[in-house]
Amino acid sequence: QSVLTQPPSVSAAPGQKVTISCSGSSSNIGNNYVSWYQQLPGTAPKLLIYDNNKRPSGIPDRFSGSKSGTSATLGITGLQTGDEADYCCGTWDSSLSTWVFGAGTKLTVL
Amino acid sequence: EAQLVESGGGLVQPGGSLRLSCAASGFTFSGYAMSWVRQAPGKGLEWVSAISESGGRTYYADSVRGRFTISRDNSKNTLYLELNSLRAEDTAVYYCAKENCGGDCQSTTFDYWGQGTLVTVSS
Repeated sequence: QSVLTQPPSVSAAPGQKVTISCSGSSSNIGNNYVSWYQQLPGTAPKLLIYDNNKRPSGIPDRFSGSKSGTSATLGITGLQTGDEADYCCGTWDSSLSTWVFGAGTKLTVL
Repeated sequence: EAQLVESGGGLVQPGGSLRLSCAASGFTFSGYAMSWVRQAPGKGLEWVSAISESGGRTYYADSVRGRFTISRDNSKNTLYLELNSLRAEDTAVYYCAKENCGGDCQSTTFDYWGQGTLVTVSS
């Protein structure tokens, strides 16, 4: 059972926009920075968004992040078939003193 | 650019031991905290253990505390994870991950990940 809650799957058509939610509590998302990771099939996680809304070098601005209270959201615009992957949120939990992750959301680009 | 390459995974019987290694390059290894994160088949990511940049401080998930030991050799730019008393539920791909901070600052993310090494615990 993951500490952070994500929808199991989302889908949208190419060129459309999709959002993926990540819900937590005051001990994790509410008081710590959130990251988003992209995991293409059979590959390692790759950092997509850090510190709630910052993109590492090389990540296109089609990807965006936001946080409000104890929830965070990943947005992807201009969907491409190459965006089909699992997307996972993660943060530090101050009460558990551990890093915590969501179970991941599988994005299908129809 | 940072690169992390894990090795040492394999098939081991319940109760057995294994030592994982993670060779780092492309960044000043001794300047950053490092972690191990695992992913069981078809499951999400689970943080396992972390170590400070000097190796003086170590941290463990409750599920592995007392059985796993994290260490590092900054002269060899290598991170290790010793796995003992292995159980079926330890079966997973183990990733080493670089934290984005070391020293006095607080890490906020894992900015680089290795390709992972598979550990299978089965008789």
